[in-house]
Amino acid sequence: QSALTQPPSASGSPGQSVTISCTGTSSDVGGYNHVSWYQQHPGKAPKVMIYEVNKRPSGVPDRFSGSKSGNTASLTVSGLQAEDEADYYCVSYAASNDALFGGGTKLTVL
Amino acid sequence: EVHLVESGGGLVQPGGSLRLSCAASGFTFSDTWMTWVRQAPGKGLEWVADIKGDGSARHYVDSLKGRFTVSRDNSKNSLYLQMNNLRAEDTAVYYCARNLGYHRLESWGQGALVTVSS
Repeated sequence: QSALTQPPSASGSPGQSVTISCTGTSSDVGGYNHVSWYQQHPGKAPKVMIYEVNKRPSGVPDRFSGSKSGNTASLTVSGLQAEDEADYYCVSYAASNDALFGGGTKLTVL
Repeated sequence: EVHLVESGGGLVQPGGSLRLSCAASGFTFSDTWMTWVRQAPGKGLEWVADIKGDGSARHYVDSLKGRFTVSRDNSKNSLYLQMNNLRAEDTAVYYCARNLGYHRLESWGQGALVTVSS
């Protein structure tokens, strides 16, 4: 299995919006509505921010939103704040019950 | 409150074995899929394995099949990862996570560092 494709970096100024993409194939991202997004600060465990493409767990700010079009899922962070600076990973359910992670995107708040 | 605590990490020589444990609390462990994810130093996350609540189904990343085995003891609320024939490229922090379905990993442990080196 190949990892999902994410841009290695993204950036935005406080208050701006930034979108991170996650591209797979019809056998994973495009074939199922089971894409999740994780935020990881340095030295910390990951935290789920979005699941099932566009659902937010309780406690996650509504500044975080998810979407999908074809084989590409996206995470949008609106109203950027300093604490949003972190690494972000997508993961998709894939055929044969596998899970594929993206390579990760380092989000910098300028 | 959900709590996951990994243990059993450490330094092991190439070709050696190690068993990681994950102690769970704060939820009905036997009803819950559990997942192992690893992260090599400075690298991204990699899914390792899943196991169903009753242990009747297990899934592994293809590259680790045959060397790693996931298991659980629901009487002890514990998850395990047996790692055999370890290689340098297995060096990573290993996380256990509570899987609420289709890799919605809702809660994570703090991670256990495994270093494979001579």
